[in-house]
Amino acid sequence: DAGITQSPRYKITETGRQVTLMCHQTWSHSYMFWYRQDLGHGLRLIYYSAAADITDKGEVPDGYVVSRSKTENFPLTLESATRSQTSVYFCASSESGGNNQPQHFGDGTRLSIL
Amino acid sequence: RKEVEQDPGPFNVPEGATVAFNCTYSNSASQSFFWYRQDCRKEPKLLMSVYSSGNEDGRFTAQLNRASQYISLLIRDSKLSDSATYLCVVNHRDDKIIFGKGTRLHILP
Repeated sequence: DAGITQSPRYKITETGRQVTLMCHQTWSHSYMFWYRQDLGHGLRLIYYSAAADITDKGEVPDGYVVSRSKTENFPLTLESATRSQTSVYFCASSESGGNNQPQHFGDGTRLSIL
Repeated sequence: RKEVEQDPGPFNVPEGATVAFNCTYSNSASQSFFWYRQDCRKEPKLLMSVYSSGNEDGRFTAQLNRASQYISLLIRDSKLSDSATYLCVVNHRDDKIIFGKGTRLHILP
């Protein structure tokens, strides 16, 4: 049971570069989510997807792009990375979007923008 | 009132003691509630769902108080391995799920 996997685990890049974080789940969950976690802010939702080809903005979407061409994959792209995007990024999935369905998280990607 | 609010702690508790902490939420229409634990630099992991009638899983008891709009987590006979940050999660409205910022718990030997 592979569950949900994120890659890479660690990434260092420079300001202005494009970076893509990968997320893959094997449960066939409908919903997938991207969060960032920073000290003092807790988990903040960047984007989520209810199904393939359906994506919606979360709390902090600026500077990020997502796609969901296949149910199992939900990549997150930083089009032009900025230092403020240095963070820990978590992908999560759930069977449905809301009631009584918990989210399950990947191991996280630790991203540093220099 | 914040959508979901937790005491950040830290709670420093001797091993074997009982500890409890609450999480308040603002939307009275919220329908689903969860507790997660997060270890340092790790992903959040589901600890337990919170049901209207309250529920127990081993040493852990979760309760919901709709009238006062809070959920609680009680840990009995605390272990060193219980040291973590505990996040409450509330279905705020429709499909919007809100994570609290967490309560840090340190179990002291």
